Amino acid sequence: VLTQSPGILSLSPGERATLSCRASQIVSSNFLAWYQQKAGQAPRLLIRGASSRASGIPDRFSGSGSGTDFTLTISSLEPEDFAVYYCQQYGSLPLTFGPGTTVDIK
Amino acid sequence: QVQLVESGGGVVQPGKSLRLSCATSGFTLRTYGIHWVRQAPGKGLEWVALTWDDGSNQDYADSVKGRFTISRDNSMNTLFLLMNNLRVEDTAMYYCVRDQGGYYSLYFQHWGQGTLVTVSS
Repeated sequence: VLTQSPGILSLSPGERATLSCRASQIVSSNFLAWYQQKAGQAPRLLIRGASSRASGIPDRFSGSGSGTDFTLTISSLEPEDFAVYYCQQYGSLPLTFGPGTTVDIK
Repeated sequence: QVQLVESGGGVVQPGKSLRLSCATSGFTLRTYGIHWVRQAPGKGLEWVALTWDDGSNQDYADSVKGRFTISRDNSMNTLFLLMNNLRVEDTAMYYCVRDQGGYYSLYFQHWGQGTLVTVSS
């Protein structure tokens, strides 16, 4: 089971966002991904392997962590970053997603 | 470029069946696993099923095991999800998703646009 916190994060453009994803068991080989989803769109892969940015993802997005505790950091929020963020573990089946963190405009 | 295009969604009564299709292009289907991921209205993402690259094995979430069947036709570059004995709680947007190939790369760079399934009497 993946737990994400906070459920909602209210911030202003330019601020730093720190999102947490905690697993109930160790995520094998740190096989953890982060996705961004905007209303009416399919999710977009941001990070895989806990810390590797996917192709085309700006460097203001960074992932860190290992074992059971992982973090997605957005160093300086741009207007297009306000969205819902999900973590996903792919170290074992069944694949699971966290419940999501909504980053909205303060 | 990689494309996945779902079809087959609609409104269906509880207990009935529906088959979703996913047409793929831009890559060699037999070298990648394909998954279905669903999202109930206003809710989060739920992994549903996986057909491994050569199509020899499938895996399912407990919530759909025994009711849903995932299959593929590599020659037609098409995937299917046969959903039997549908329940109200199966109502969701169903996304066809490609992984990066292999057991250690079950994350999702490529998503379809989704097809909506509504189970209602």
